[in-house]
Amino acid sequence: DAKTTQPNSMESNEEEPVHLPCNHSTISGTDYIHWYRQLPSQGPEYVIHGLTSNVNNRMASLAIAEDRKSSTLILHRATLRDAAVYYCILRALTQGGSEKLVFGKGTKLTVNP
Amino acid sequence: NAGVMQNPRHLVRRRGQEARLRCSPMKGHSHVYWYRQLPEEGLKFMVYLQKENIIDESGMPKERFSAEFPKEGPSILRIQQVVRGDSAAYFCASSPKVAGRASNEQFFGPGTRLTVL
Repeated sequence: DAKTTQPNSMESNEEEPVHLPCNHSTISGTDYIHWYRQLPSQGPEYVIHGLTSNVNNRMASLAIAEDRKSSTLILHRATLRDAAVYYCILRALTQGGSEKLVFGKGTKLTVNP
Repeated sequence: NAGVMQNPRHLVRRRGQEARLRCSPMKGHSHVYWYRQLPEEGLKFMVYLQKENIIDESGMPKERFSAEFPKEGPSILRIQQVVRGDSAAYFCASSPKVAGRASNEQFFGPGTRLTVL
């Protein structure tokens, strides 16, 4: 699985936007970019995923660089409940292959009131 | 639709005992994954199962660990002769079968926190 690089930690203020970066310079053409987050003492939670185009859903937006070597998860208005560890994961979906997620260390997001 | 359920939520065992962790996937999901999270670390994949089949067990320790997902009932992760190093949070995730492949998204349970004394 291709590797991703994320900052260890980031801080934000409540109600402000947050941009969480992820570098994946060795991404292949068939790798999807997935984001999960893990709130304290809980299991991970899917946030968003994309392949080439920017994506939006009710939780966040995903901005993917044109060369796909980096991406940014955008939380438009951070709340205290967004404090979590955010994981950027590359997945190659192959017919009949393992669909495992390979987690790195992620970015620990602290949201200040 | 209830989410992924795991039980027990907390399990305490003495060294040498057996630990059985149960995972009930979301209704309609036929794929189950087990992950382990050691204290202050990220999640590590252990095993991927479909009903009655182990698809990928590349993350399972060679000894003492086994997993199953029977035709009926929950998936079971079994750890025999537990040691202190097995203390961790064990998470189960499930996903539906979509057009012959696993879905993009995995739904995680709340985890079982195993403490070995």
